[in-house]
Amino acid sequence: DAGVIQSPRHEVTEMGQEVTLRCKPISGHDYLFWYRQTMMRGLELLIYFNNNVPIDDSGMPEDRFSAKMPNASFSTLKIQPSEPRDSAVYFCASSLRLAGAKETQYFGPGTRLLVL
Amino acid sequence: KQEVTQIPAALSVPEGENLVLNCSFTDSAIYNLQWFRQDPGKGLTSLLLIQSSQREQTSGRLNASLDKSSGRSTLYIAASQPGDSATYLCAVDYGNKLVFGAGTILRVKS
Repeated sequence: DAGVIQSPRHEVTEMGQEVTLRCKPISGHDYLFWYRQTMMRGLELLIYFNNNVPIDDSGMPEDRFSAKMPNASFSTLKIQPSEPRDSAVYFCASSLRLAGAKETQYFGPGTRLLVL
Repeated sequence: KQEVTQIPAALSVPEGENLVLNCSFTDSAIYNLQWFRQDPGKGLTSLLLIQSSQREQTSGRLNASLDKSSGRSTLYIAASQPGDSATYLCAVDYGNKLVFGAGTILRVKS
C-alpha cells in the first residue's frame, strides 16, 4: 500500500481565498483523522471520521473549517475564507480501528499551508 | 484537562551516547501511549506503542517504559546514531483521540 496520500504537499494562498486539502487513507482503514500542527499549539486533532461519518469535530477551530468524507477512499478539509493564522501543516491519518486496541495511526506527509 | 509534556524540548548529543526522553501526562485514564518520530517536512512514524497494562516495549535500540500511576513514560535510545536525529513525539491515547506532547528535537552529532 502507498500509505496515506495527501495533496497538495504545499499550498500558498492569499487571505480570503478558499483552500481545499485532500486525503486518501490506507485501503481498509475505518478511521480517518485530520490534524493541524503549529509551532505554538503543537499537533491538534481537528476532526475524525468512522466509516465516512464524522464522529468528533470538537477540534475544528471555527465555522470557516469544514471536512467531508464522501467515500471510504477520500476526504477533504476546506477552509473558507482562509486567514493568515490558518498557516500550519495539516496532517491526515488513518487507522484500522479506534484507540483502545493495539492499533496505531498512520500519518500522511502533510500539507504545508501558507496564507498571506 | 488532558495535557502531555515532554522534556527536554531539545537535546544535542555526540554519536554513541545513550539517551532518555521524558513524557508526562496529567490524566492517567489512558488506553495506550505511543512514541512517534517526525523528520523535517515529513509525517509521523510510529516507533513504539505501549498498552496501558504493559510496563515497557522494545524495538531494536529503542525501549519505552510506562508508569501509568505516576503519569510518566520514557523513551530510551541506546548507542545513538546521526540517523536518529529527528523530533520525537509522545502521544497519549484516551480512547477517542491522541493527545500529543510538543516533542523533543534530537540532534546526534557525528
